[in-house]
Amino acid sequence: DQQVKQNSPSLSVQEGRISILNCDYTNSMFDYFLWYKKYPAEGPTFLISISSIKDKNEDGRFTVFLNKSAKHLSLHIVPSQPGDSAVYFCAARRTGNQFYFGTGTSLTVIP
Amino acid sequence: SAVISQKPSRDICQRGTSLTIQCQVDSQVTMMFWYRQQPGQSLTLIATANQGSEATYESGFVIDKFPISRPNLTFSTLTVSNMSPEDSSIYLCSVEFGTSIETQYFGPGTRLLVL
Repeated sequence: DQQVKQNSPSLSVQEGRISILNCDYTNSMFDYFLWYKKYPAEGPTFLISISSIKDKNEDGRFTVFLNKSAKHLSLHIVPSQPGDSAVYFCAARRTGNQFYFGTGTSLTVIP
Repeated sequence: SAVISQKPSRDICQRGTSLTIQCQVDSQVTMMFWYRQQPGQSLTLIATANQGSEATYESGFVIDKFPISRPNLTFSTLTVSNMSPEDSSIYLCSVEFGTSIETQYFGPGTRLLVL
């Protein structure tokens, strides 16, 4: 049972444009959501998170939006840079319980 | 954040053999986690390893197949036993560290290919 879904396996964006990565979840008990970034041959690196009591969290070029009614979150990267090319995983958890990860979206930023 | 290392970084193994993966953290942590990422799949939690107690395994994973040791607060091992090609995967350890218990930090992973 895939509780966290990333339906787009890949995304290509021109440098300087906005990248939007999407994630859907099924468990309404999740109260914390995260995005991880993964380069080849490396482990996932924490990028940004959001609590369910918020609908937006911003950190520099990265903004995560949470729509609880739609059980949907998205990661916006503006402006996109070639160094952002990586696989992005969204994750969700209920506090005190395990993380559930999506299958990842491979982002390619074209110079 | 904690610095996490894993050994080996990759290995190619024969069917029926076993491989032990090591995870070392540069700080003391209470909880360590072992994940598996099969090709094209999401990260799946295998087990949670707390120092001084038996590991807690998730549904679909058993101790006989994936024995785990946690001898101290900075080290853990995961053994993949009696391997088959279906065990070919990336195995990752992670920790919860510091004041933010909501975030997990990952090691670089061990890429395993079973022939």
